[in-house]
Amino acid sequence: DTEVTQTPKHLVMGMTNKKSLKCEQHMGHRAMYWYKQKAKKPPELMFVYSYEKLSINESVPSRFSPECPNSSLLNLHLHALQPEDSALYLCASSPTDRGNEKLFFGSGTQLSVL
Amino acid sequence: AQKVTQAQTEISVVEKEDVTLDCVYETRDTTYYLFWYKQPPSGELVFLIRRNSFDEQNEISGRYSWNFQKSTSSFNFTITASQVVDSAVYFCALDQGAQKLVFGQGTRLTINP
Repeated sequence: DTEVTQTPKHLVMGMTNKKSLKCEQHMGHRAMYWYKQKAKKPPELMFVYSYEKLSINESVPSRFSPECPNSSLLNLHLHALQPEDSALYLCASSPTDRGNEKLFFGSGTQLSVL
Repeated sequence: AQKVTQAQTEISVVEKEDVTLDCVYETRDTTYYLFWYKQPPSGELVFLIRRNSFDEQNEISGRYSWNFQKSTSSFNFTITASQVVDSAVYFCALDQGAQKLVFGQGTRLTINP
């Protein structure tokens, strides 16, 4: 199994809603990532978990809250989002925390905030 | 500062044509890694190649080839005999360490039948 699975594929939420994005991998990878991608732009790193510990937070607003319950699962909890947070949210994983490794990406959650 | 420039925003060619996507990078590091990823309409980024700074050998994988030239800080990607399935956005990226990738702005490639 060489897949990173993200759910849901699409999500529409109001600014007062609370929702969660889910990401799962069963490749035994020990690093997992959240990226945000606006239309026609490259992905931007948000968070990195290494061995289930948050290792990188790229100054992301607190309305985004990541969680790594175990080595296979990564969540992104959303609360009080703004319309400008509408984007494609991509999850990725890599075998270790060394960096310089290829990333395995999921197909993303397309989020629309109304 | 580390930077990746993909000057070609969009390229459109007819099927079976060869096409080259340009990538120029900036870094002060002597050890670094460069990547190419493909993003089809389905959304996921698909890894194509990784190259470290000490390996300047060109690489060929089927219809894909990569030309790495440290002298010009370029890592260009050529698709030979393009096919409609090659239509996607292609990103060149530089690993700046600590699990952080610097992506170029991407090149949207359209292969017309």
